[in-house]
Amino acid sequence: NAGVTQTPKFRVLKTGQSMTLLCAQDMNHEYMYWYRQDPGMGLRLIHYSVGEGTTAKGEVPDGYNVSRLKKQNFLLGLESAAPSQTSVYFCASTNIGQGAAEAFFGQGTRLTVV
Amino acid sequence: SQQGEEDPQALSIQEGENATMNCSYKTSINNLQWYRQNSGRGLVHLILIRSNEREKHSGRLRVTLDTSKKSSSLLITASRAADTASYFCATGTGGGNKLTFGTGTQLKVEL
Repeated sequence: NAGVTQTPKFRVLKTGQSMTLLCAQDMNHEYMYWYRQDPGMGLRLIHYSVGEGTTAKGEVPDGYNVSRLKKQNFLLGLESAAPSQTSVYFCASTNIGQGAAEAFFGQGTRLTVV
Repeated sequence: SQQGEEDPQALSIQEGENATMNCSYKTSINNLQWYRQNSGRGLVHLILIRSNEREKHSGRLRVTLDTSKKSSSLLITASRAADTASYFCATGTGGGNKLTFGTGTQLKVEL
């Protein structure tokens, strides 16, 4: 059972380039989340989804887009990367809404924008 | 701004001592969870306490919740070097099904 898998694990982008981060879960979870983690800031919610075909904005959505075309996948896109988006990105999924169940996390994607 | 704030930001103790970290939050919650993060890794769930519960235990972990003060504490008893990690509280708020995290406490347990 793989749990939550993030692809890629590391990436270096030049300013203005675009990329997509993939999150895949095999636990049939309804809810999926994208966070970014910066030193001293904890985890900040970027976007989340409460089911296939749905997405919603979190605390820091600007500069990012997401899609949930399949229940098991949640994609995070950066259309035009900026140095401020250098961070570690985590994806998570849960089985029950309203934060009632534990969230399972991927191992993170370390993104550097130069 | 973030929903949760942990206190202290950093804590250093000797093995065998107890470690206490606190979390304060801003809005009403359905439940509160604590997670652990080892350096460079994803977060791992430790314990969940519902808004109608006041205390919960799991092994060496004890969590309390005071909804009137909008605060929670995590106590790790008889700490071990392997407990060295960052600890985060997370709150689940109704309606939007958001799971938001605090800023974390970095715990270092020294031999």
